[in-house]
Amino acid sequence: NAGVTQTPKFQVLKTGQSMTLQCAQDMNHEYMSWYRQDPGMGLRLIHYSVGAGITDQGEVPNGYNVSRSTTEDFPLRLLSAAPSQTSVYFCASRGPGTSGLGQFFGPGTRLTVL
Amino acid sequence: GENVEQHPSTLSVQEGDSAVIKCTYSDSASNYFPWYKQELGKGPQLIIDIRSNVGEKKDQRIAVTLNKTAKHFSLHITETQPEDSAVYFCAASGTSYGKLTFGQGTILTVHP
Repeated sequence: NAGVTQTPKFQVLKTGQSMTLQCAQDMNHEYMSWYRQDPGMGLRLIHYSVGAGITDQGEVPNGYNVSRSTTEDFPLRLLSAAPSQTSVYFCASRGPGTSGLGQFFGPGTRLTVL
Repeated sequence: GENVEQHPSTLSVQEGDSAVIKCTYSDSASNYFPWYKQELGKGPQLIIDIRSNVGEKKDQRIAVTLNKTAKHFSLHITETQPEDSAVYFCAASGTSYGKLTFGQGTILTVHP
């Protein structure tokens, strides 16, 4: 049981480039989400999904796209990277209903946009 | 939307002392309050959580208290150990349980 996995661990992009951050979980969790972590600001929700085919925006969605074609995978796409998107990105998942409220976080992807 | 304030931003204690981290939230509809520990280079890890129908919850050396009237909740760590050194985050969530709003984090340092 690998839990929540993220790739890559590190990435450097130039302004305007696009890329996809990968996230996968093997716990059959319905709920998955993406957060970004910036110094002094905690973690902020970018997008989330309550199940395959369903996604919604979080607190800071601009510049990011998501899709959820399977239960296991929840990729985050940067369409045209900007220096303001330099951050550490975390994917998380949790089980259904209220019994599994605790979210499991992946190890993170550190992204630098030059 | 929800706003969570966390204090202090840094906390330094001697091994064996207690540590207390406090958070306030703004949305009275929030009903789930987890605490996460983040070690360097790793993702946050859930250490304890509390729901709004409970005032206090303990798990060995860790306890969380919730005051719904005042809209604040606290993390208490007793008999601190150097391995407790990490960044701690509080969070709050309402009916959409997965949409967590995080506090800014507290860097806890436990000196041997």
